Amino acid sequence: AQSVTQLDSHVSVSEGTPVLLRCNYSSSYSPSLFWYVQHPNKGLQLLLKYTSAATLVKGINGFEAEFKKSETSFHLTKPSAHMSDAAEYFCVVKSNTGKLIFGQGTTLQVKP
Amino acid sequence: DVKVTQSSRYLVKRTGEKVFLECVQDMDHENMFWYRQDPGLGLRLIYFSYDVKMKEKGDIPEGYSVSREKKERFSLILESASTNQTSMYLCASSLLSTGALGEAFFGQGTRLTVV
Repeated sequence: AQSVTQLDSHVSVSEGTPVLLRCNYSSSYSPSLFWYVQHPNKGLQLLLKYTSAATLVKGINGFEAEFKKSETSFHLTKPSAHMSDAAEYFCVVKSNTGKLIFGQGTTLQVKP
Repeated sequence: DVKVTQSSRYLVKRTGEKVFLECVQDMDHENMFWYRQDPGLGLRLIYFSYDVKMKEKGDIPEGYSVSREKKERFSLILESASTNQTSMYLCASSLLSTGALGEAFFGQGTRLTVV
C-alpha cells in the first residue's frame, strides 16, 4: 500500500530565505509523486510532478523537488521565499489504481 | 484549460437532510474523485470512479454514496446529513493513467455546514 507523510505540519520562514518542506513516501513500486499548493480560499493547484525522467523536478513559482529513492523522500524546496508563497502544501502519491493519496499538509508561513 | 466545477461554494443543511453535491468536468476524464478536507487531516478520499456507473470506496465512505450516470458528472450524496459531516468537500478529475501524466484537477470546493 502507498502512503505519504509530511514531516512538518507548520513551517515558518522569513521572506528571502530558503524553504524546505519535507515529504516521505511509502510505495511498493516506482511511485508517481506530486506537490500541490492551496492558497486561502482557493482551489488546489499542481506545483510539480515526478515523471521518473529526472530526479530533480522543477515546478512553478521557483519551486523544485528532488526524488531520492534511497531515502524514500520527495522534499520541496525554494531558494528564496516570497510573501505570496504563504499557503498550505500537500505531498501526494498516486496508487497503481489511480487513487491520489494525500499527506496531512504543511502550512507555510512567510514573515516579512 | 481543464475545468472542474462544483455546483455550490457554500451550503448549510439541517441534520437528517439528504444532501447532493454535484461536480462536472469538461475534459473527458475517466477518473473522478470526492475528497473531504479537514484541518490537520489533509484530504481524505471518500469515493472515486474510473468510469460511468463504476465506483470504488475510498478511505472514509461511511455515510456517503455516489452516482456517476454520465462521464462528466460525479455526484456525492449524504443520505442523512450529520454534524460530523461538516467539512470542505473537493471534487477532482484525471485521465485514466497510472503515471504522473494523470495529474488531478480540482474544483474550488464546497464548504458544507450541517446544523
